Amino acid sequence: EPEVTQTPSHQVTQMGQEVILRCVPISNHLYFYWYRQILGQKVEFLVSFYNNEISEKSEIFDDQFSVERPDGSNFTLKIRSTKLEDSAMYFCASSERQGDYNYGYTFGSGTRLTVV
Amino acid sequence: LAKTTQPISMDSYEGQEVNITCSHNNIATNDYITWYQQFPSQGPRFIIQGYKTKVTNEVASLFIPADRKSSTLSLPRVSLSDTAVYYCLVGDYKLSFGAGTTVTVRA
Repeated sequence: EPEVTQTPSHQVTQMGQEVILRCVPISNHLYFYWYRQILGQKVEFLVSFYNNEISEKSEIFDDQFSVERPDGSNFTLKIRSTKLEDSAMYFCASSERQGDYNYGYTFGSGTRLTVV
Repeated sequence: LAKTTQPISMDSYEGQEVNITCSHNNIATNDYITWYQQFPSQGPRFIIQGYKTKVTNEVASLFIPADRKSSTLSLPRVSLSDTAVYYCLVGDYKLSFGAGTTVTVRA
């Protein structure tokens, strides 16, 4: 079964540092997403990406966040200046289609980001 | 965006059927209903999706009444490995997942 791969599985960083979380979506998927889940809380939508540009973003996705698809396989989330409250699991997801309804997304196993 | 309400938790025993009902009174005409499963420290996993009536796959069944204001995920003959959080989502991918239903299966 195809998988979404995320690296690293765990990252510890100092407050104020930049981090890049990496994802390899499923190869024939065209839509990519980032979600986060603070420990013990809900899975929250951050951003969706299609055709090399952001299609939608949530209020959480402020100027410190950016996404990029630098090549044909990777999809990255960059946090420019990390804060303590950025500590969370970050999940990448991809889907084949997107429209008025969702076909179900395939999620990666996540990157646990710890900001100290 | 349609708001969903589901029980916080449910307990069951191995071999039993588990039914989780989700209320979504303001579901829109174009909205599909999707269920995900999440184990601790893992990403959500798609289980099943439907629009109306009944959908069945190798993992679960989804029952949706004619008014579509609720849906019921049915897990047949659960095992210990089905202990997880189950989320009901309606419509748009931008939704946060909600609190979900923590299903605990006991031996």
